[in-house]
Amino acid sequence: ILNVEQSPQSLHVQEGDSTNFTCSFPSSNFYALHWYRWETAKSPEALFVMTLNGDEKKKGRISATLNTKEGYSYLYIKGSQPEDSATYLCAFIAGGSYIPTFGRGTSLIVHP
Amino acid sequence: EPEVTQTPSHQVTQMGQEVILRCVPISNHLYFYWYRQILGQKVEFLVSFYNNEISEKSEIFDDQFSVERPDGSNFTLKIRSTKLEDSAMYFCASSVPWGDTGELFFGEGSRLTVL
Repeated sequence: ILNVEQSPQSLHVQEGDSTNFTCSFPSSNFYALHWYRWETAKSPEALFVMTLNGDEKKKGRISATLNTKEGYSYLYIKGSQPEDSATYLCAFIAGGSYIPTFGRGTSLIVHP
Repeated sequence: EPEVTQTPSHQVTQMGQEVILRCVPISNHLYFYWYRQILGQKVEFLVSFYNNEISEKSEIFDDQFSVERPDGSNFTLKIRSTKLEDSAMYFCASSVPWGDTGELFFGEGSRLTVL
């Protein structure tokens, strides 16, 4: 069983705050890491697909970094807005299996 | 924009009954998945399907579960004899054929409540 951990489990921030959370995954047999945003009553949507150690990806105010050697990825949100409120899931993909294994998610609530 | 659709959105059933959850993946995708999330727990992998057969399944996916792609568009998950612990949100997902690093496209889920 692959161990994919996300922290914190939940986070409350004020509008305008910048925030970040962590996804930890096995440091061996890495193939890819996905980040998804899951808004209430909707389906999870992919934010980033990360494949290379040192990758840094950006989409608007959201960015992610990847360290495959130590087995972690950070997701950053700059200047959080209420519409960023969602659960953020990471999914680790091991070589050979290619099946995404999800973490428990970080629930972000941005207060106006 | 193409999307994955799932039906029903919510199903309530009695323990021991059979349930079929339906999914229509995005039309040019070739990899299909079922995941589930029991309330308050992680999203868990159940099964993946490629080229008309199961490519991988988890220990959750026991003999009570089966999947089928009966007509080239639908992808179904059948639970033969539901148990209380099968109550969960079931998500179907599909991915593009050209990259195993490709992200999953999810449906909005089918909530199953077993009484």
